[in-house]
Amino acid sequence: DAKTTQPTSMDCAEGRAANLPCNHSTISGNEYVYWYRQIHSQGPQYIIHGLKNNETNEMASLIITEDRKSSTLILPHATLRDTAVYYCIGADSNYQLIWGAGTKLIIKP
Amino acid sequence: DSGVTQTPKHLITATGQRVTLRCSPRSGDLSVYWYQQSLDQGLQFLIQYYNGEERAKGNILERFSAQQFPDLHSELNLSSLELGDSALYFCASSAQGGTGTQYFGPGTRLLVL
Repeated sequence: DAKTTQPTSMDCAEGRAANLPCNHSTISGNEYVYWYRQIHSQGPQYIIHGLKNNETNEMASLIITEDRKSSTLILPHATLRDTAVYYCIGADSNYQLIWGAGTKLIIKP
Repeated sequence: DSGVTQTPKHLITATGQRVTLRCSPRSGDLSVYWYQQSLDQGLQFLIQYYNGEERAKGNILERFSAQQFPDLHSELNLSSLELGDSALYFCASSAQGGTGTQYFGPGTRLLVL
C-alpha cells in the first residue's frame, strides 16, 4: 500500500512559491499520487495528481522524482487563501485513497 | 462549489439514537464515497458505492450502513450512536468506479451528546 510521509507543518510568505514535499517510497508502479487540500473544516478540494511525469494545472504544479519515491507540490504564488492542510495521497491495492495527517501550510503576510 | 450536496449541515442527537445523512453527487458522477473525520484527525474512508452497488469498504462500523439509490443519491445510516461517533462526515463523488479525482461535499457535522 502506498503510505505517504509529509512534514507536519510549514510556513511560506505571501507571494512566494510554496513547495510541499511528500515521500511515498512504497508506491507501486501503477499507483497515482494525488494532492488534496482542506481549508479549515471544509470538504477537501482536489488539486492535482500524477503518475510519473510532472503535471501542471491552474492551481499548482506537481514534480515527481524519476524513481517515484517522492514528489513536491508547488503553489507558484501563495496567497493567504492557500492556508490549509495539504494531503499527499497514495492509493492502496484496491485503488482506495489512503489519507495521512497532511501538512498544515500557513501563508504569512 | 464542488456540485456535491450534503444534508443536514449540522446534527445534534443523543447516544443510542439513529440518524441518516444524505448526499447528492455531482451530475453525471456514478461513484459516491463516505468519509469520517474526527476532531483534528485525517479522513477515514468508510464505504464506496458505484452505480448502486457497493464497491469498497473501509473502516465502517457494523452500526453504520449506507446505500445508493437509483437516482444515485446516497444515504449513510448511523445507529446506536456513541459519543465517539461525533465527527464530520463527508461525502465525495467521482465519475469513475476506481480511485480518481473526488469531489467533496461540505460535510455534515454530527454531535452526539
